[in-house]
Amino acid sequence: KAGVTQTPRYLIKTRGQQVTLSCSPISGHRSVSWYQQTPGQGLQFLFEYFSETQRNKGNFPGRFSGRQFSNSRSEMNVSTLELGDSALYLCASSFEVPNEQYFGPGTRLTVT
Amino acid sequence: AQSVTQPDIHITVSEGASLELRCNYSYGATPYLFWYVQSPGQGLQLLLKYFSGDTLVQGIKGFEAEFKRSQSSFNLRKPSVHWSDAAEYFCAVGPPGSNTGKLIFGQGTTLQVKP
Repeated sequence: KAGVTQTPRYLIKTRGQQVTLSCSPISGHRSVSWYQQTPGQGLQFLFEYFSETQRNKGNFPGRFSGRQFSNSRSEMNVSTLELGDSALYLCASSFEVPNEQYFGPGTRLTVT
Repeated sequence: AQSVTQPDIHITVSEGASLELRCNYSYGATPYLFWYVQSPGQGLQLLLKYFSGDTLVQGIKGFEAEFKRSQSSFNLRKPSVHWSDAAEYFCAVGPPGSNTGKLIFGQGTTLQVKP
């Protein structure tokens, strides 16, 4: 069974631009969560989707948003990028909630 | 507030030596407990999990962890470390019995293995 896939793997954007990251969960998994990983703050929860509904949201500004489609694929969007948004964005999926989560390889976002 | 503490930021062990990585949590009830490993430039791989039952859990790659309720700890162990175990290790907790999969992670422990 294929693992969690994330696209693109690497991205360079300019401050003020917006970006969309994509996540395809493991087949059959209905829950998708997003995390931001930085050297200073570590791994921080962004949001979680289950059956197209946002179940939980972390403590991030409204510039961070996401959605989930009927096939469980998920996207997250960051508008008006700031330098501090440079991070590894990780997506994780699980069959149901709560359960162990399986992580994708991440998207490395660099904001210049 | 809910939190996870990994007291050791960096650990160096010799290949073949035993390993113990510490994890302490602060939570209102016994949470679900996880250990993940991350190699450079990679995502997180689940090593093992504890939901309930036997407090000694076995994971992949020869790792095990022991849940101690009285100490609010979930330490990861391996009897003999291999050079390929060099990576960053994260302890995480999740809320039990709820409808969210939100995980709270510790700051991570970087493991270096000496030949």
